[in-house]
Amino acid sequence: QVQLQESGPGLVKPSQTLSLTCTVSGGSVSSDSYFWSWIRQPAGKGLEWIGRVYISGSTNYNPSLKSRVTISLDTPKNQFSLKLSSVTAADTAVYYCARMLVGVFDPWGQGALVTVSS
Amino acid sequence: EIVMTQSPATLSVSPGERATLSCRASQSININLAWYQQKPGQAPRLLIYSASTRATGIPARFSGSGSGTEFTLTISSLQSEDFAVYYCQQYDNWPPKVFGQGTKVEIK
Repeated sequence: QVQLQESGPGLVKPSQTLSLTCTVSGGSVSSDSYFWSWIRQPAGKGLEWIGRVYISGSTNYNPSLKSRVTISLDTPKNQFSLKLSSVTAADTAVYYCARMLVGVFDPWGQGALVTVSS
Repeated sequence: EIVMTQSPATLSVSPGERATLSCRASQSININLAWYQQKPGQAPRLLIYSASTRATGIPARFSGSGSGTEFTLTISSLQSEDFAVYYCQQYDNWPPKVFGQGTKVEIK
């Protein structure tokens, strides 16, 4: 079955760019059936959708983060990535990648904790 | 922007009892609603989509109902592994805020 795994630095300095990669196994990011999404969750809080990318390169972002977010696909590596610029402590969270079909997120990666601190 | 409101925030239930969780949308979302379960330290897991369709491998004790603005997740007989936080998510209207704030089901 499809599995997703996040990877990237666990500590990012304020004002720098957070970069995470999601590696997909058991399926292809080139599929035209799915979007590929990022979602985050601050400690003890709820879930916030960040954005999504489609095989065509089309992207959609949460308006609250749009000016700082870039999501892209790397089809040869079967990966997709998240970049969030100008981070602050408020961006400290567990970041999840997930496959999205008709708006539903399934499956999810196990999550990657990213802490923003100097 | 659609706002999803879940109630109660915390539900205390004894093992074997029935749990009923509610999710309300600020405007009609038809049946475009999903439910997820999240256990401590784990990623959310899809339980229900299209308001009432169980995802693959989800036990029959989980059921969803509702349409429009009012939705319910019912766990017919709570097992120890069901104590977790449950989120509803609308996907009728984009962009989001898609998720409710969650209901924690705890042991009574």
